[in-house]
Amino acid sequence: DTGVSQDPRHKITKRGQNVTFRCDPISEHNRLYWYRQTLGQGPEFLTYFQNEAQLEKSRLLSDRFSAERPKGSFSTLEIQRTEQGDSAMYLCASSTSGITDTQYFGPGTRLTVL
Amino acid sequence: QQQVKQSPQSLIVQKGGIPIINCAYENTAFDYFPWYQQFPGKGPALLIAIRPDVSEKKEGRFTISFNKSAKQFSLHIMDSQPGDSATYFCAAPSPRGTYKYIFGTGTRLKVLA
Repeated sequence: DTGVSQDPRHKITKRGQNVTFRCDPISEHNRLYWYRQTLGQGPEFLTYFQNEAQLEKSRLLSDRFSAERPKGSFSTLEIQRTEQGDSAMYLCASSTSGITDTQYFGPGTRLTVL
Repeated sequence: QQQVKQSPQSLIVQKGGIPIINCAYENTAFDYFPWYQQFPGKGPALLIAIRPDVSEKKEGRFTISFNKSAKQFSLHIMDSQPGDSATYFCAAPSPRGTYKYIFGTGTRLKVLA
């Protein structure tokens, strides 16, 4: 399978714990995006990378959230001191560098904070 | 805050019907409007996208109509099938010249057999 992959697919954690998600983009894609989707809503942008550089972060990305893409390949999204409001689907997408190049989404990681 | 307004929120049609989903945007840095289809528990999958050089694009049973002056675009599904039952999202580029998308709130479509 050469699509975007995400791990884990589901994560249940207790409030206050830290969690980390991984995204592996399509191999030739140098842009990588993180979105968050809550029930009944469209995906909301969190952050994106061009290669290893994090070029934009949404105001939704509080200080408890951090994302990395150390070698310009896979990316991790960490949430520290999770809160119940962090419960959502976390989606990763990747694309090539053209202005209108399509973003391809992974299957998402469903986070439940108890 | 840029918004993309999508309607209706939900839609039920009979098999063979032509559901139409509408989106309106405010401003974009460039013109590229994709539609995504999402099944429960899955990530959004690109369905069809339109670039600014045309006002309509067809791919199979799916058609996008684009009205640049009105800042509106719509998705038509011809001869809809029960397998088309899913949530559909429109998206528009951010007005700020970055590459993120602003998504609509989604339309839950149910096609009755």
